[in-house]
Amino acid sequence: DTEVTQTPKHLVMGMTNKKSLKCEQHMGHRAMYWYKQKAKKPPELMFVYSYEKLSINESVPSRFSPECPNSSLLNLHLHALQPEDSALYLCASSPPFRDPGYTFGSGTRLTVV
Amino acid sequence: GNSVTQMEGPVTLSEEAFLTINCTYTATGYPSLFWYVQYPGEGLQLLLKATKADDKGSNKGFEATYRKETTSFHLEKGSVQVSDSAVYFCALKPTGSGGYNKLIFGAGTRLAVHP
Repeated sequence: DTEVTQTPKHLVMGMTNKKSLKCEQHMGHRAMYWYKQKAKKPPELMFVYSYEKLSINESVPSRFSPECPNSSLLNLHLHALQPEDSALYLCASSPPFRDPGYTFGSGTRLTVV
Repeated sequence: GNSVTQMEGPVTLSEEAFLTINCTYTATGYPSLFWYVQYPGEGLQLLLKATKADDKGSNKGFEATYRKETTSFHLEKGSVQVSDSAVYFCALKPTGSGGYNKLIFGAGTRLAVHP
C-alpha cells in the first residue's frame, strides 16, 4: 500500500457545524502533515505530527484541531469555521530522517457556507 | 530565510515542444530540492528530487539538476504531451529540518499543452 487516503473527498458545512477530516496511511511513515491549499496557490503547512506527537502548529486558529490517534491515522476536527476557510485540505506523510519527499493524499475539498 | 521562486505561468506549449520551468531558491546550507505535480482536482505527486549539489533527478521524461552555484533547480522535458498539463511546484526541504520534512513550496507554474 503506497497511498494516503483522505475522506471525505468533498464536504459542505455550515458555520455552526462540527465535522472531521480523516487521513490514513499504511506505509509505516512516522511523520504526517496537514496542508491547506487555496485556489491557484501553493499548499500552506498547518500541522506536523512526528511519532504521533504534534511537532509543528503554524499558528493555525483553534477552530482547527488536529488529532493523531495512532501512527496510521490523522484527523482534523473542524468547528465554527468561516467561509474563508473553504479550501482543499491535503494530508501527507513521510518517513522520518530521510528525503524521499512526501506522499500526498488527493485531498478534501471543503466548502463553508 | 528559506524561499523558492518559480517562473510565472501559465506556460502554453504545443505537443512535442521543449519545456523549461525555472526555479531558484534561497536557503542556508544544503537543502534538498523537489518538483511536485498537481493534476486538476487531485493532490500533489512527487515528480523528482535531488538531495545534493550536481544531483540530477529524473522521472517520466522530466529532469532537473541541482545547481548550487546558481541556486537553481530548473525542470525540463524534451517533448511534452497533452497529458502533462498540470501545475508544477518546486519545493525545498531546509537543512536540519529534523525528523520530519518541512517543505517550502514555490507559487506553482501552470502548464497547458495543446495538440
